[in-house]
Amino acid sequence: DAGVIQSPRHEVTEMGQEVTLRCKPISGHNSLFWYRQTMMRGLELLIYFNNNVPIDDSGMPEDRFSAKMPNASFSTLKIQPSEPRDSAVYFCASTGGKNTGELFFGEGSRLTVL
Amino acid sequence: RKEVEQDPGPFNVPEGATVAFNCTYSNSASQSFFWYRQDCRKEPKLLMSVYSSGNEDGRFTAQLNRASQYISLLIRDSKLSDSATYLCVVNYNDMRFGAGTRLTVKP
Repeated sequence: DAGVIQSPRHEVTEMGQEVTLRCKPISGHNSLFWYRQTMMRGLELLIYFNNNVPIDDSGMPEDRFSAKMPNASFSTLKIQPSEPRDSAVYFCASTGGKNTGELFFGEGSRLTVL
Repeated sequence: RKEVEQDPGPFNVPEGATVAFNCTYSNSASQSFFWYRQDCRKEPKLLMSVYSSGNEDGRFTAQLNRASQYISLLIRDSKLSDSATYLCVVNYNDMRFGAGTRLTVKP
């Protein structure tokens, strides 16, 4: 079975540009999480969805960040405009089905904003 | 105060040593608890769940103390391959991670 799929794996962009990160959760999972990881702040929960509905976005840093889940098999995290302090690894994870409680992570999207 | 707190380490131990990590959480209504392992530049992966009665998986033992709101992970007879960052996770309808504890096992 395919795991959580994230794209792009790496992105380098310039300050002010729009960044869109994509995630395909494991089929059958009904919860999806977006995390950001930096050396300074560790793994921070940005937002999570249950059955495609955003439940808690209190971790989203500011209005420049937005996330959507238009259907059960796709989610995006968008940063507009991007800033150098947004540089981090962004992970998407899903859970649900028979393995409720275990989070399955994608390989992450490493973002560098110059 | 952070919702989930861990000693960041690093812990540097020789092979064969026993090492213990603790993690405290602030939400007393938290429902479930886990330990994850993250290798350098990789995604976190589930190491083990933590049950109220405590649980053991080979060299790894996890315990939960609800009264004091902490969970622990004990690694016995540590191996070089145990070198990684260990993250505790606390779930209350979300999944909050501690900052992780870096372990290095040396020959």
